[in-house]
Amino acid sequence: DQQVKQNSPSLSVQEGRISILNCDYTNSMFDYFLWYKKYPAEGPTFLISISSIKDKNEDGRFTVFLNKSAKHLSLHIVPSQPGDSAVYFCAASRGTGNQFYFGTGTSLTVIP
Amino acid sequence: DTAVSQTPKYLVTQMGNDKSIKCEQNLGHDTMYWYKQDSKKFLKIMFSYNNKELIINETVPNRFSPKSPDKAHLNLHINSLELGDSAVYFCASSQEQLRGWKYNPPLHFGNGTRLTVT
Repeated sequence: DQQVKQNSPSLSVQEGRISILNCDYTNSMFDYFLWYKKYPAEGPTFLISISSIKDKNEDGRFTVFLNKSAKHLSLHIVPSQPGDSAVYFCAASRGTGNQFYFGTGTSLTVIP
Repeated sequence: DTAVSQTPKYLVTQMGNDKSIKCEQNLGHDTMYWYKQDSKKFLKIMFSYNNKELIINETVPNRFSPKSPDKAHLNLHINSLELGDSAVYFCASSQEQLRGWKYNPPLHFGNGTRLTVT
């Protein structure tokens, strides 16, 4: 019962270009969404979040877009840098006191 | 000054053994978690502890037992290890929910413990 899905296991992008990572979810009750970044042999680190009352949240080079009708969110990284090469997980939750549901991650490689 | 630290980083053991993974956080958070990432990369919650009370307990075998001696520590004990227990186990913590904030606060993860059962 995978409620959060990342259908692209990997993505390669040239340095300086835009990286777009996608995430789909099935539970319409989810109201809070996060992106985590994970380097090898490290734990995931929180990157950016968005609540369901917004459709866009921006933090520097990172922007998350939420399309509630499509149950879809995306993470845009502009411009992409080699240091952005990592696995990106999206996660979702509903309300408080509930667990986060994670996708299986997308491995981003930024080519210098 | 690692925020969430877990030991050991790697753990190789035989079926039937009992093992423990330790976790400590120095962030002052009041909730700690254990997550399991299996071979298919699914990251799923196993347990969470808030003020020494178990508040989430997903359908994990009772061979797994969390132990929290204090707010800064949440250890994971595993009895009678099985081949299917091989995975990466992540400890995490989160701060107390801010007043008026109606969403779960983000998790802070440790670097994981790769458990291999042979």
